Amino acid sequence: DQQVKQNSPSLSVQEGRISILNCDYTNSMFDYFLWYKKYPAEGPTFLISISSIKDKNEDGRFTVFLNKSAKHLSLHIVPSQPGDSAVYFCAASVEGNTPLVFGKGTRLSVIA
Amino acid sequence: GAGVSQTPSNKVTEKGKYVELRCDPISGHTALYWYRQSLGQGPEFLIYFQGTGAADDSGLPNDRFFAVRPEGSVSTLKIQRTERGDSAVYLCASSPHGQVGELFFGEGSRLTVL
Repeated sequence: DQQVKQNSPSLSVQEGRISILNCDYTNSMFDYFLWYKKYPAEGPTFLISISSIKDKNEDGRFTVFLNKSAKHLSLHIVPSQPGDSAVYFCAASVEGNTPLVFGKGTRLSVIA
Repeated sequence: GAGVSQTPSNKVTEKGKYVELRCDPISGHTALYWYRQSLGQGPEFLIYFQGTGAADDSGLPNDRFFAVRPEGSVSTLKIQRTERGDSAVYLCASSPHGQVGELFFGEGSRLTVL
C-alpha cells in the first residue's frame, strides 16, 4: 500500500506560469516532508522540505504547503522556467526514525 | 568530485549471476542509504547504514540481497542469483548524520538482468 501518493504522473505548464505539484500521504505519523527533483540519468536532488510544525516553507521560486488535516502537501513553482522540467518526487518520514518514503513522481514539462 | 559516486553506472548480467554494486559516499557522511527505483516508480528503500552497522535493513526484498560497509565509508550492495525482476536503478545516498533529512544521492547504477 502506497503511503505517499502522487496521483498526477505528468504536468505541462507554460513558462512564466505557476506549477502546482500535489502529494497525499496516508501515514499520520509522518512529520517531515521533502521534495526532490530528478533529471534524466542523474540522482534525485533535494529541493525543499517542511516540518509538520509549519504549514508553509518558501525558498525563492519554490513554496511547499502542508495541510496536516487533509494529509496533503503541494509544491508551487512561480514563475516556472524551462530548466524546471524534471521529475519531482514527494517524500516523507517520521523524523529521525524512519528512512524516506517516496511517491512515484510527477513529470513536469515547462514549455517555452 | 565531492558527490556520492556509484559504480558501475551500467551493468548487464544474465539471470542467475552474482552482482556487486559499489557506493562511495560524501566524505564524512556517517549515514548511507541504498534505494531501488524501478521503471515508473519512486525510489524504494532497501537498507540504511549508520557507520559500519546496518541500522535498518527492512527494505531488502529477500535473502538474495545483502549489503556491507566494513569501514564505515564505501558500501557494496550484493545480489545473488539475479532475477529479471531485479532490473532497476540502484541509488545510493548519504547524509552527514543519522537523522533523516536531506539525502545526497548518487547517479545510480542501472542493473539489467537478461
